[in-house]
Amino acid sequence: SQTIHQWPATLVQPVGSPLSLECTVEGTSNPNLYWYRQAAGRGLQLLFYSVGIGQISSEVPQNLSASRPQDRQFILSSKKLLLSDSGFYLCAWSLWEYNEQFFGPGTRLTVL
Amino acid sequence: LAKTTQPISMDSYEGQEVNITCSHNNIATNDYITWYQQFPSQGPRFIIQGYKTKVTNEVASLFIPADRKSSTLSLPRVSLSDTAVYYCLVGDPAYSGAGSYQLTFGKGTKLSVIP
Repeated sequence: SQTIHQWPATLVQPVGSPLSLECTVEGTSNPNLYWYRQAAGRGLQLLFYSVGIGQISSEVPQNLSASRPQDRQFILSSKKLLLSDSGFYLCAWSLWEYNEQFFGPGTRLTVL
Repeated sequence: LAKTTQPISMDSYEGQEVNITCSHNNIATNDYITWYQQFPSQGPRFIIQGYKTKVTNEVASLFIPADRKSSTLSLPRVSLSDTAVYYCLVGDPAYSGAGSYQLTFGKGTKLSVIP
């Protein structure tokens, strides 16, 4: 069966510090991968999606970036965090021919 | 890109049937309609997906009229554990090209089930 992992589960970082969140998927090959962010009291915002290794599309230009160094690994990064980067970050995967996305447990990021 | 509109919140008593309607006036020919459920501090969970008419599974039904400009998620006999946020999405599941494959969750509908 397929599983998706995210870490860390929670993170508290000072403004201006770097960020690296990791997501890995097991049990499937060549998935579409997604990064979402949910700010307090708001809906999910699609940040990045990837249809293959090294292929990243950005939905929202900001100080975040994403990379996909391996087929089932998706990384969200920032060189300098802003207060507005606080939120609940979710990684998800799907098979290209199906719309159903499977979400990871999420990372709660607080920027102070 | 199809944009969706849902009620912000709904209240229901336990045991009642709940219908949540989503408007998507500019849905494209190849777009499917998908509903997700999200509990606090968890990722969304797929509930049901459909293209037209009616789809039913073990947890919900999805009603889609002929013009496909709206859809209704029906939850039979809700319980307290159905309290969650429900999202309606539209998108082309077969499109994998860069630039326009988007799934917009929006703010969803917060359903509160009352004892």
